[in-house]
Amino acid sequence: ETGVTQTPRHLVMGMTNKKSLKCEQHLGHNAMYWYKQSAKKPLELMFVYNFKEQTENNSVPSRFSPECPNSSHLFLHLHTLQPEDSALYLCASSQANYGYTFGSGTRLTVV
Amino acid sequence: KQEVTQIPAALSVPEGENLVLNCSFTDSAIYNLQWFRQDPGKGLTSLLLIQSSQREQTSGRLNASLDKSSGRSTLYIAASQPGDSATYLCAVFRNTGNQFYFGTGTSLTVIP
Repeated sequence: ETGVTQTPRHLVMGMTNKKSLKCEQHLGHNAMYWYKQSAKKPLELMFVYNFKEQTENNSVPSRFSPECPNSSHLFLHLHTLQPEDSALYLCASSQANYGYTFGSGTRLTVV
Repeated sequence: KQEVTQIPAALSVPEGENLVLNCSFTDSAIYNLQWFRQDPGKGLTSLLLIQSSQREQTSGRLNASLDKSSGRSTLYIAASQPGDSATYLCAVFRNTGNQFYFGTGTSLTVIP
C-alpha cells in the first residue's frame, strides 16, 4: 500500500446506474486529485482539491461529480456514464509541491 | 502551458543492459520533476523526485538527472532486469498552478 487507498478496485456498471469511487489518504497531504487513464492515452487530470476546496475542474462532464468532505477523503460520484468512460481512475495526493502519491486505481467498465 | 514529451515511446533491451529514458519539458519554471513506474492496469509508483534546485537523485540502480535550463531529465537504469519491465512516466510540477503535467510514458521491456 502506498498510503493512498482506492475502493473498489474494479467496478462494472450499466449506463443508468449511480455509483461512487472512494479515495482515502492518511499521509497528512493537503491536496487530492482525480485522474483518468484510458488505454493508449496519457493521464488526464479531472479534478483538484486543495484544503477541501476544488481548485481545478478540467472541463469534465457533469456526469462525474467530485466530493471532498475533508482533506483525507475524496469521492467521485458517477451517474449515466457512457461506454467511453471506461478507464482506470486514479486518485493521488500531495503535500505542497513535494511530489505525488498515487493509489492503485479503480478499473471502471461501463456496459 | 507546460508540455512534457518522453522519448522513446517504447524500448526493448536484453537483460543486463544499462539504459536511458528521456523526458523533455517546454517551461523551465518548475518546482520539481518526478519519475514514476506503472505496471499494466495498476497505479503509479513513485521512483524518484528531483527538486528544482537539485541536479540528480539516486535510488539503487536508478539515477535521475535534471537540467532545467535545457528542459530535460533522464532516468538511467543500470543492469536492467526483467522485473524492470513497465511503463515509465515523468511528471513536472510548475511554479504556478497546483498540478503535475505528465508525459506519455516509455514502455520498457527487458528480455531475459
